[in-house]
Formats: sequence, structure tokens, C-alpha cells
Amino acid sequence: NAGVTQTPKFRILKIGQSMTLQCTQDMNHNYMYWYRQDPGMGLKLIYYSVGAGITDKGEVPNGYNVSRSTTEDFPLRLELAAPSQTSVYFCASSPTGGGGYTFGSGTRLTVV
Amino acid sequence: GDSVTQMEGPVTLSEEAFLTINCTYTATGYPSLFWYVQYPGEGLQLLLKATKADDKGSNKGFEATYRKETTSFHLEKGSVQVSDSAVYFCALSEGFQKLVFGTGTRLLVSP
Repeated sequence: NAGVTQTPKFRILKIGQSMTLQCTQDMNHNYMYWYRQDPGMGLKLIYYSVGAGITDKGEVPNGYNVSRSTTEDFPLRLELAAPSQTSVYFCASSPTGGGGYTFGSGTRLTVV
Repeated sequence: GDSVTQMEGPVTLSEEAFLTINCTYTATGYPSLFWYVQYPGEGLQLLLKATKADDKGSNKGFEATYRKETTSFHLEKGSVQVSDSAVYFCALSEGFQKLVFGTGTRLLVSP
């Protein structure tokens, strides 16, 4: 099983550019999440989804958008990149919610 | 709101030493508690969990006991190895919406 797959692994963006971080899971999990990890700050929830067609904001949603058209895919969109969005982004999934997550290996994004 | 507080790192130990990483939490209800581990360049992996008071989670020689009276979930291991070097995150969940993470504690084990 591939688990949770994130692409790309690394990306450098210029201020104002847009990009989509891809996340796919092959475990048929209903719940999916996007977190960002900043040094010394732990992980902060950006958006989450409890099933196809249903998404909701987390703690730090500003500057991001998501969609969930299928159970497998949960892409994260950055519309106008800002230096404050430099971070490592993790996608995760869970069959029932409640904490037993499977994480992807992350995308390291730098905005210059 | 809910929060998790972990001890500051890095924690530096010699191989075969005893490990304790402290974790305390604040929650309005009765959360489930978790320890995740992150090895260099990788995503987080679930290490162990406990879902109710006095439960003990264990895995790979690591243990943690859910203490409701002290709102704590300290991670312990009797004899660490170099391969245990990683960042350890304590987390809680009060429902399906999200995990709340601590800031992480880096463990460095030397031979």
C-alpha cells in the first residue's frame, strides 16, 4: 500500500505565484487533513474534510483553499503565495477521525 | 481551547539510558491522547495512543499512561537506542475534527 502520497516534495515559489499541493490516499479513508509545520511551533490545521464534497476550515485557513471531489484526493491550493506560507505541509488521513492518522511525507515549500 | 504542552528539547541521552518526555494537556472533555514520532525527512507516524483515563499505550518499548488527575501523558522508554533519535509529538483529540499537537521534543541519542 502506498498510504498517503504527497507531491511535490520540494518547491520554491515567487511571491504572488500560485500552486497546488497534491495529496492522494489509497486506504479509502473518509477523513483527510492538511497541516503546516513551522519550526518550534508544532503542527497547525489548515483545512479538513470528512468525506467527498465536504470541507471545513481549521485554525489557519487564510491564503489557502481545498476541494474534495473524490475520496482519494484532497489538493491544497495556494492562490497568491506569501513569505509567511514558507513551511512544511503535511497531508493526513484517517478512517474514522479521532486521531489515528496516517501522514504523508510532506512538501517543503519556500516562498521568496 | 484545547492545548498540549511538551518539555523543551533537545533531550540528549547516551544509548541505553532511560527516557522521559513530559506532556501535559488542557481539554474541556475527555480526550484521546497520542504520541507521534517524526524521523528526519519523514512524516509523522503514530507511536502509541490511549483513549481513556488510566489506559497505558505501548509500542516498540515506549510507554505512556493517561493520567486524568494530573492531565499528563508522559512518554517513557527504559533503554533508548541511537535509532530512536527523532522528534516526538504529543497530541490530543476530542472528536473527529482535528488533532491538537504539542510543539515537539527532539531526542538525540549518542552511541
